[in-house]
Amino acid sequence: RKEVEQDPGPFNVPEGATVAFNCTYSNSASQSFFWYRQDCRKEPKLLMSVYSSGNEDGRFTAQLNRASQYISLLIRDSKLSDSATYLCVVRPTGGFKTIFGAGTRLFVKA
Amino acid sequence: NAGVTQTPKFQVLKTGQSMTLQCAQDMNHEYMSWYRQDPGMGLRLIHYSVGAGITDQGEVPNGYNVSRSTTEDFPLRLLSAAPSQTSVYFCASRTDRGTDTQYFGPGTRLTVL
Repeated sequence: RKEVEQDPGPFNVPEGATVAFNCTYSNSASQSFFWYRQDCRKEPKLLMSVYSSGNEDGRFTAQLNRASQYISLLIRDSKLSDSATYLCVVRPTGGFKTIFGAGTRLFVKA
Repeated sequence: NAGVTQTPKFQVLKTGQSMTLQCAQDMNHEYMSWYRQDPGMGLRLIHYSVGAGITDQGEVPNGYNVSRSTTEDFPLRLLSAAPSQTSVYFCASRTDRGTDTQYFGPGTRLTVL
């Protein structure tokens, strides 16, 4: 079983749609959680950290469920510019290594 | 701040050749890493460093060497290139705080013929 698993997609949605991505992780000792965005042929960039109480940044909402060991990302009112690959990222407590999911591809169409 | 820089952006090698991918950061980060990214497999850790003079192996270290003589620089050496090393290579850095994000360089696209 992979340490971090994501649905690879692709998700094809129209502009204005709401789309949700889920991610599961296997290490219950995980401490830090992030969503990264990666555009085609570019480096990954931080979209948002994920906090235990859930957090929101504009149209983006992240949730963490430690009991079930999953993280979610909700994108409301999708824009064409949201088309990218979204990476779920987990870092174990006290560890150096950062574990990346393989990513979920999103296409937003006009 | 330039952030994390990598050179070259593109490279084509023949099987058996050696080369060094350069990585530098100007954020005074202690932690630096090298990843490779292949289609459908996500980012895999090759080697990492928690400070100058300290390096360790990641998930896929075979065929690669690293050194960390300064806080700023973390070069990755391919000893004898193989077609299986065709990939996109990313260097990243962060502070030693567990909650801090990683910053990535723009990547090096390597093709081994």
